[in-house]
Amino acid sequence: GAGVSQSPRYKVAKRGQDVALRCDPISGHVSLFWYQQALGQGPEFLTYFQNEAQLDKSGLPSDRFFAERPEGSVSTLKIQRTQQEDSAVYLCASSAEVQAYEQYFGPGTRLTVT
Amino acid sequence: ILNVEQSPQSLHVQEGDSTNFTCSFPSSNFYALHWYRWETAKSPEALFVMTLNGDEKKKGRISATLNTKEGYSYLYIKGSQPEDSATYLCASAGAGSYQLTFGKGTKLSVIP
Repeated sequence: GAGVSQSPRYKVAKRGQDVALRCDPISGHVSLFWYQQALGQGPEFLTYFQNEAQLDKSGLPSDRFFAERPEGSVSTLKIQRTQQEDSAVYLCASSAEVQAYEQYFGPGTRLTVT
Repeated sequence: ILNVEQSPQSLHVQEGDSTNFTCSFPSSNFYALHWYRWETAKSPEALFVMTLNGDEKKKGRISATLNTKEGYSYLYIKGSQPEDSATYLCASAGAGSYQLTFGKGTKLSVIP
């Protein structure tokens, strides 16, 4: 079956531009996660959805970051007024369960802010 | 907050060599330890999920062990092949948590 997909795979934005990153989770998966991997670091948690409810957004680095999952399937991570420090790989993962027993990852979106 | 450490940061081995990496994590409030393999331009692939102290899991030439009392896990690759070249990530989940806390990964390069 289809895995987690993300689009675009690569995005170059000029500083100050807004970007939107899309995640299509595995069909029927309840949980959806966003992670950010900066260069030389491990992925770091950003936010978590259970169906359409955003239960945890404690990892979002600033109020320029916003995520939504309005119908409990596709999710969008939006970054307003991008800054150079936002350059990173953004990973999306989904899980059939509420507890993080197994998370299935997409290939990521590499964002470069110039 | 859980701090997960991985060593070494990178590793070069000859084809046919066996190798191993270490992942250390705080043992308090532990729930699960995940190993992922991440090849360039692909999705991180789940290798193992382990929860019990003393767990040992095997998938082909790759195996992993878990010690929750002292907070470490080893990943072993027997007879490395060029297709094993990837970054190996470990991640820990605490009890009652949905977050994974990742290490920085070990980048393995297998030289033909």
